Amino acid sequence: EAGVAQSPRYKIIEKRQSVAFWCNPISGHATLYWYQQILGQGPKLLIQFQNNGVVDDSQLPKDRFSAERLKGVDSTLKIQPAKLEDSAVYLCASSPHGTGAGELFFGEGSRLTVL
Amino acid sequence: AQSVTQLGSHVSVSEGALVLLRCNYSSSVPPYLFWYVQYPNQGLQLLLKYTSAATLVKGINGFEAEFKKSETSFHLTKPSAHMSDAAEYFCAVSLNRDDKIIFGKGTRLHILP
Repeated sequence: EAGVAQSPRYKIIEKRQSVAFWCNPISGHATLYWYQQILGQGPKLLIQFQNNGVVDDSQLPKDRFSAERLKGVDSTLKIQPAKLEDSAVYLCASSPHGTGAGELFFGEGSRLTVL
Repeated sequence: AQSVTQLGSHVSVSEGALVLLRCNYSSSVPPYLFWYVQYPNQGLQLLLKYTSAATLVKGINGFEAEFKKSETSFHLTKPSAHMSDAAEYFCAVSLNRDDKIIFGKGTRLHILP
């Protein structure tokens, strides 16, 4: 079974530029998450999708971050314009059902460096 | 709101020694608790989870954790450390099966030869 795929693995941009990350979850997983992991900290949930609907985006900085999950499969996370503090690893995870009793399956992450 | 606190951002143990990584939780209701492991340049992987069944939970790679309600703790242990256990470990909490998972700041485990 293929795991969660993310791209690109690494991205370096200058502040005020834009960037997009792509995630393809495990086939059949209804729930998809984007987490931000800043160096030295635990992952912080940015947004959770159930199929193609948003369940939780309370911690997504909506003035610069956006995410979509068209057709309830793969997802894109965009940052525009980027700030220095956005330097982090962006982790995508999927789950076959709701969180809690379920297990999250993570991709390898996309490391963003903002100069 | 629920949260977890991991004591010690870095822990070093000798190969063959006991591994003990500490986690305390805060939750208004009986929580679901998790330990995840992250190897360098990889995503997180579930080690074990507690979902209100047995209080002693066994996971992969010889790890186990015990849920202690009176101490609001969910410490992770392994009797004998192996070099391959060197990684970052995250404790996490959720209120129920449909709630989001909140992660702690992580503990980096170093194994000394």
